[in-house]
Amino acid sequence: AQSVTQPDIHITVSEGASLELRCNYSYGATPYLFWYVQSPGQGLQLLLKYFSGDTLVQGIKGFEAEFKRSQSSFNLRKPSVHWSDAAEYFCAVGGLGNNLFFGTGTRLTVIP
Amino acid sequence: EPEVTQTPSHQVTQMGQEVILRCVPISNHLYFYWYRQILGQKVEFLVSFYNNEISEKSEIFDDQFSVERPDGSNFTLKIRSTKLEDSAMYFCASMRDRGVNEQFFGPGTRLTVL
Repeated sequence: AQSVTQPDIHITVSEGASLELRCNYSYGATPYLFWYVQSPGQGLQLLLKYFSGDTLVQGIKGFEAEFKRSQSSFNLRKPSVHWSDAAEYFCAVGGLGNNLFFGTGTRLTVIP
Repeated sequence: EPEVTQTPSHQVTQMGQEVILRCVPISNHLYFYWYRQILGQKVEFLVSFYNNEISEKSEIFDDQFSVERPDGSNFTLKIRSTKLEDSAMYFCASMRDRGVNEQFFGPGTRLTVL
């Protein structure tokens, strides 16, 4: 069965600190993995995606994620968090052209 | 930059009423989707649409729901008789083609059923 687990419901980090958001997935076929960000009252913006090739992918706003097939993980990282990064982050998995399965999201709070 | 738009941004309706949520996908996109997000929960897939027909739907998408692409630009989601549990944020998404495999999401319509 397809599913995405984001074990951290809420994370608080200090501005300038590093960040890692965890994502584990279960998918029966070749997974296509995504991270989306949702600011309050806004839609979903794609941060980055992994289809194949290099397992470390770079995205917008200084984010990166690493695909680890052996751990079924696709964790999102950022070396130095900015106050504007405060938002809800969703990991998603899907197949080629198929609908996406989302995790429950991780809410990021950034403190000065 | 082209974007997916949705109207209205917020719709309030009485239980049992019909609602139509509207979406304008990006113009050269071929695949269309509806998702919903109940407050505090994860985003859930409802239906996908390609070549003027439903290609996939979830268990949530029962007979009360329907989708239509009436005029080549709009993509609508109709809920025939709304229930309290239909209250959610509804997101439309579109994708250019399967090879690109990137869905672009609209800002959502918040539906409140009273």
